[in-house]
Amino acid sequence: AQSVAQPEDQVNVAEGNPLTVKCTYSVSGNPYLFWYVQYPNRGLQFLLKYITGDNLVKGSYGFEAEFNKSQTSFHLKKPSALVSDSALYFCAVRDLTGANNLFFGTGTRLTVIP
Amino acid sequence: NAGVTQTPKFRVLKTGQSMTLLCAQDMNHEYMYWYRQDPGMGLRLIHYSVGEGTTAKGEVPDGYNVSRLKKQNFLLGLESAAPSQTSVYFCASSTWTASNTGELFFGEGSRLTVL
Repeated sequence: AQSVAQPEDQVNVAEGNPLTVKCTYSVSGNPYLFWYVQYPNRGLQFLLKYITGDNLVKGSYGFEAEFNKSQTSFHLKKPSALVSDSALYFCAVRDLTGANNLFFGTGTRLTVIP
Repeated sequence: NAGVTQTPKFRVLKTGQSMTLLCAQDMNHEYMYWYRQDPGMGLRLIHYSVGEGTTAKGEVPDGYNVSRLKKQNFLLGLESAAPSQTSVYFCASSTWTASNTGELFFGEGSRLTVL
């Protein structure tokens, strides 16, 4: 069975500092991994995905994620945080059955402090 | 660019009442999903559809029914609402092509409160 874990419910970072939101995965086979962001009272928005290839994936709004197979991790990163990055972030892994579903982590709330 | 549209956005029900949430997508996607979002639990799949006329159960299907009579619409029904169904419901759609490998497109959500 596929699953992802986000070990931190809350991450606080000062504006201008680098940020990391952690995600680890458990899959049998090659993982398809995703990051989504949710702003207050909005739906989830796609940030980036890893399917295959380069372990460093670049996405929207200056975010990137590093796929690490040996550590089964897919951490989300940004070199310099903005106050507007404050939101709820979800890691997800694709269901490898016919549903084409995504299994989501429990989410990490990122707060960027001015 | 409507994408995925959910109606209604807010609803308050009394225990035992019924209602239907409507999801419409204009991207010609084959797959459609209904999730519920609860604090500290992320998103959990209720039901999904892999094409017009097909539906299947997800992780938490009890108390819900769905229908997909048209490719662009996916309805979620609650026949007898319970307080445990108080949640935010999200509809999503997806497709698989050479350039679109599985990301889901979400609606804005429907906040349901059952008293």
